[in-house]
Amino acid sequence: QVQLVQSGAEVKKPGASVKVSCKASGYTFTSYGISWVRQAPGQGLEWMGWISAYNGNTNYAQKLQGRVTMTTDTSTSTAYMELRSLRSDDTAVYYCARGGYYDSSGIFDYWGQGTLVTVSS
Amino acid sequence: DIQMTQSPSSLSASVGDRVTITCRASQSISSYLNWYQQKPGKAPKLLIYAASSLQSGVPSRFSGSGSGTDFTLTISSLQPEDFATYYCQQSYSTSLTFGPGTKVDIK
Repeated sequence: QVQLVQSGAEVKKPGASVKVSCKASGYTFTSYGISWVRQAPGQGLEWMGWISAYNGNTNYAQKLQGRVTMTTDTSTSTAYMELRSLRSDDTAVYYCARGGYYDSSGIFDYWGQGTLVTVSS
Repeated sequence: DIQMTQSPSSLSASVGDRVTITCRASQSISSYLNWYQQKPGKAPKLLIYAASSLQSGVPSRFSGSGSGTDFTLTISSLQPEDFATYYCQQSYSTSLTFGPGTKVDIK
């Protein structure tokens, strides 16, 4: 069965960086991209961007351009999301999800369990 | 970016009720509209894709309709496990966006 397993919770200081991992299993990793979606406490869902696991192409949300980098390691079927220059309003649960605009018509059919990132001094 | 709105933002309903949630896009998105259910502390779950296609394993009491700018999610007979927050999401543009959510709770 398809599974996306994310790394554990992180606490970071303002200005620091965080890197969250998402290990995929149960399907051919390079057949689908991985999107990242975050959810601030008590708020809705915000799409952050997508990376192709096939060729590494990326598509980032404009508001995060320059602060976010998404990568994959096909040898371990793992996707990564790094967010830099953290601010308090980056505090959120970060989800990885299978699919994106270019490879699954923008439909997210499987999700990771979420990783809480807390930014606090 | 395409803006998505949902109404109502919350509703109270009883088990067995028919529930309808509306989603509106700021421009035409054809049928590129998906619905997700999220329970507290859990990841979202895909219910409906392409406006009206039921995701595998999702109960048939869930249905979706609409095209262009106006869409609806209907739960024909609300069950206890359906109390959750529901989000619509457009997949028409490369910049994917979600609606603000509709919370369905117990009356």
